[in-house]
Amino acid sequence: DAKTTQPTSMDCAEGRAANLPCNHSTISGNEYVYWYRQIHSQGPQYIIHGLKNNETNEMASLIITEDRKSSTLILPHATLRDTAVYYCIVYDSWGKLQFGAGTQVVVTP
Amino acid sequence: GAGVSQTPSNKVTEKGKYVELRCDPISGHTALYWYRQSLGQGPEFLIYFQGTGAADDSGLPNDRFFAVRPEGSVSTLKIQRTERGDSAVYLCASSSGSPGTGELFFGEGSRLTVL
Repeated sequence: DAKTTQPTSMDCAEGRAANLPCNHSTISGNEYVYWYRQIHSQGPQYIIHGLKNNETNEMASLIITEDRKSSTLILPHATLRDTAVYYCIVYDSWGKLQFGAGTQVVVTP
Repeated sequence: GAGVSQTPSNKVTEKGKYVELRCDPISGHTALYWYRQSLGQGPEFLIYFQGTGAADDSGLPNDRFFAVRPEGSVSTLKIQRTERGDSAVYLCASSSGSPGTGELFFGEGSRLTVL
């Protein structure tokens, strides 16, 4: 059963912010929201994660709604190198991460 | 190098043959994962080790697939009697294994093609 719903694809102009939505309406209280990305022909790369509060690191910001049913990953200034598949994952801190199909993000010049 | 290393990067074999794929995790990482990724899909979980033991092998598709990690470091994924449907990129990841961490470090994968 898919725990997250993401758009199949989205385009973003280089230099602009990319806002990637994710719905996780069945998330439970002890589950975190994780984001990974996968550039073509590479392994997935961890980006950021959060539980309730908004989080920011050198790669991105994560905004989680107050009811925790959805979140948005923000790439503040998209570059061509940010073209990748982005995965939103709900994780309960035990065992395996389960990936869905993700969002194919294409950054255009 | 400091990252997860997988060998071979590419493997072409014939249907029915036996294949081994190797993963060298980041030094000191106690948790090790194997995933399989088919074209256009997200990675699919196969098996997870904590130390030497398989903590969760629920993703292994059938008994042709087996994985070991005898010394708690290097792991080998073994596929017997390969079938064309086994063609995929096999990804290995490791993590510190600390409770609660979902931050996995992935290798570049081993691309398996079964003719």
